[in-house]
Amino acid sequence: ILNVEQSPQSLHVQEGDSTNFTCSFPSSNFYALHWYRWETAKSPEALFVMTLNGDEKKKGRISATLNTKEGYSYLYIKGSQPEDSATYLCAFSGNTPLVFGKGTRLSVIA
Amino acid sequence: DAGVIQSPRHEVTEMGQEVTLRCKPISGHDYLFWYRQTMMRGLELLIYFNNNVPIDDSGMPEDRFSAKMPNASFSTLKIQPSEPRDSAVYFCASRGQGGRETQYFGPGTRLLVL
Repeated sequence: ILNVEQSPQSLHVQEGDSTNFTCSFPSSNFYALHWYRWETAKSPEALFVMTLNGDEKKKGRISATLNTKEGYSYLYIKGSQPEDSATYLCAFSGNTPLVFGKGTRLSVIA
Repeated sequence: DAGVIQSPRHEVTEMGQEVTLRCKPISGHDYLFWYRQTMMRGLELLIYFNNNVPIDDSGMPEDRFSAKMPNASFSTLKIQPSEPRDSAVYFCASRGQGGRETQYFGPGTRLLVL
């Protein structure tokens, strides 16, 4: 059974703080690692698809890194804003449908 | 492209009634997925199709649930008869070939069974 772990489960940060969280995934049969942003009452929104070891992707204040050899990815948010409050999901892609982690729930306090 | 389209967006029905959820994937996408979101289980995969063919329905909770994809642009998820424990948000998602393709989610159908 494929296991995708995300930590922490939740965190609260002050507006302006930078933060990061982790996604751990199997290092074998790796195709890609997906990050999603999921706001309450909405649907998951794709942030990044990362495929190569050492990949680093950036979208505004959000960036992500990938280490396929050790099976982890970090998501960073620089200068958190209240609108960044959401659940951030990662998903592992092998030769199967995406396997999702349970997400990290971020709350940014103004 | 309009993205993945789902209808209805909200459905309220009474226990025992038949419920049909609809999905139109993004044009050209080969894979279609049906997910259910609940407080207890989070996001769970119910069934997925490749080129209109069901590949894995092991996530379908029981025989009351069925899904079809008669053509590349339309899929349905049917619950008959519905029960209160089926209340959840049901998402449809689609992507192209290959695990490196982005998977896009529809807006979801919020189902409440009374």
